[in-house]
Amino acid sequence: QSALTQPPSVSGSPGQSVAISCTGTSSDVGGQNYVSWYQQHPGKAPKLMIFDVTKRPSGVPDRFSGSKSGNTASLTISGLQAEDETDYYCCSYTASYTYVFGTGTKVTVL
Amino acid sequence: EVQLVESGGGLVQPGGSLRLSCAASGFTLSSHWMHWVRQAPGKGLVWVSYINSDGSITHYADSVKGRFTISRDNAKNTLSLQMNSLRVDDAAIYYCVVVLTAGAFDMWGQGTMVAVSS
Repeated sequence: QSALTQPPSVSGSPGQSVAISCTGTSSDVGGQNYVSWYQQHPGKAPKLMIFDVTKRPSGVPDRFSGSKSGNTASLTISGLQAEDETDYYCCSYTASYTYVFGTGTKVTVL
Repeated sequence: EVQLVESGGGLVQPGGSLRLSCAASGFTLSSHWMHWVRQAPGKGLVWVSYINSDGSITHYADSVKGRFTISRDNAKNTLSLQMNSLRVDDAAIYYCVVVLTAGAFDMWGQGTMVAVSS
């Protein structure tokens, strides 16, 4: 159950787009459609941002989008805003009936 | 207000036990799958365990298998995590999570802190 691999940090200027990758294996990301993304501000509980690879829960801005290609899922934030600066985690269901989170990525708005 | 409230955290010595609880208010847990997720200080999220709606299906991360037991009492609208043989690396904030959408961790509690130290 190794954690999914995410870049430690990504950055962008306000209004730009940033993408966070989440790399796993064919047993998790590559073979499952239960891939989700979470935003976590310091000292707060995580918040669901994307589920089923591409779907947004009600209330999540459409600036946030998800995709997947092979064993790598991605979260894209378009029109970056100051409030988007925080940590993001991916998560995938696995072929072993378990779940695995990513290593986490800190997004910095320059 | 719809919310999840965890309790039972605290300081325990290595090898000791703790029982965490998660109580729901404003909605009924009985029809939902539920998870425990933990986060060590300054570290990332780690999935711990889940249980299906009637308690007949449970799964655990390898790191806690055989030491932790997840259970639920739908009559009392609560979720529990019995943690035995605690180790220093079990120290973390433990979050209770409700599944409203299959495969997603929809609603999170605020967490309860577990410290393991001699």
